[in-house]
Amino acid sequence: DAGVTQSPTHLIKTRGQHVTLRCSPISGHKSVSWYQQVLGQGPQFIFQYYEKEERGRGNFPDRFSARQFPNYSSELNVNALLLGDSALYLCASSLFGSLNVLTFGAGSRLTVL
Amino acid sequence: SQQGEEDPQALSIQEGENATMNCSYKTSINNLQWYRQNSGRGLVHLILIRSNEREKHSGRLRVTLDTSKKSSSLLITASRAADTASYFCATDARQGGSEKLVFGKGTKLTVNP
Repeated sequence: DAGVTQSPTHLIKTRGQHVTLRCSPISGHKSVSWYQQVLGQGPQFIFQYYEKEERGRGNFPDRFSARQFPNYSSELNVNALLLGDSALYLCASSLFGSLNVLTFGAGSRLTVL
Repeated sequence: SQQGEEDPQALSIQEGENATMNCSYKTSINNLQWYRQNSGRGLVHLILIRSNEREKHSGRLRVTLDTSKKSSSLLITASRAADTASYFCATDARQGGSEKLVFGKGTKLTVNP
């Protein structure tokens, strides 16, 4: 069985650009959560989607947005990139809501120059 | 904001020794989870303990939970070099209709062969 897959694995952007990160959950999982992990810190919650509806939003600016598609895959979009957006972006899926056991993807490493 | 805080921030031991990591949290919880992260990769779920449980075992892992002190500990017995990783506790948080898992900053464990 395929785990949670994320793409791209690495990317480099410049300030002001936008980025789209993609996530495919484990088959049968209806919930997708996004986390940002800055080097040396724990993951910070960005969004959670369940059955294509936003169920949770962390303390991130409106430059961050996400959506979940009918096949339960998800996209995270970040506009007007700042240097501080450089981080590992993790996607996690779960059967039900985000309070259950999460299965994480390997992450997308974003570097903003 | 980080609900859980792990202690110590870093721990270095010899192979065969036991490793103990602690987690403190601030608000009441339904369950607490521990995750492991190898360098720069996705997190892997280790164990979940519910608020009405005091202790749980899984292989070489032993987790305790003290809800009166709002703290948990993770014990890894007979450690191996392969246990080298960062370990995070995660607690469920509900805020304004939003549900999320909140991670601590982690304990970086190094097991020397």
